[in-house]
Amino acid sequence: AQSVTQLDSQVPVFEEAPVELRCNYSSSVSVYLFWYVQYPNQGLQLLLKYLSGSTLVKGINGFEAEFNKSQTSFHLRKPSVHISDTAEYFCAVSQANAGGTSYGKLTFGQGTILTVHP
Amino acid sequence: EAGVTQSPTHLIKTRGQQATLRCSPISGHTSVYWYQQALGLGLQFLLWYDEGEERNRGNFPPRFSGRQFPNYSSELNVNALELEDSALYLCASSLASGLGTQYFGPGTRLLVL
Repeated sequence: AQSVTQLDSQVPVFEEAPVELRCNYSSSVSVYLFWYVQYPNQGLQLLLKYLSGSTLVKGINGFEAEFNKSQTSFHLRKPSVHISDTAEYFCAVSQANAGGTSYGKLTFGQGTILTVHP
Repeated sequence: EAGVTQSPTHLIKTRGQQATLRCSPISGHTSVYWYQQALGLGLQFLLWYDEGEERNRGNFPPRFSGRQFPNYSSELNVNALELEDSALYLCASSLASGLGTQYFGPGTRLLVL
């Protein structure tokens, strides 16, 4: 079964500092990788996704992530954070079985709460 | 383009009652997914509907059920409500069956008293 581990439950950072939110996954077949953000009392908003191609993907709000197949990681980065980036961030994996049939579901990590301080 | 919509935004029920939650996907999307976000348990996959059929379900008891209508909207029903069913229920939709990017609605917050 696939699993997703977000290595930090909380990340405090000062405004304009860089940040990295770490995500590792376990899967033996093809995966698609996603980062979502959830602001308080709201649903999930897609930040970025890796489906294929370039391992460095750029998303909204200045975020980017790098897919590393050998380390089974998909870490999220931003070079300079703003107060408005304070939210909970979720890494997710979508997987197909060896025959290429999709399971349909996203498996999520436990979430990382990013708090940006002035 | 309108996003995924869910209704109601909040729902209060008592133990043993039934709850019905509704979801309208993005126009053109045929797959609808339901997730539960309960405090301390994270985001858990509930159900996946595509073209009116249930394609996959998560590790939830049968009292969690649903359906997808011909217009691709969906309904989640929870029977015999228990206190631990209190959670945010999120609906998502996608274009391609299963592997398409999932876009989420704002959720329905269910409180069971």
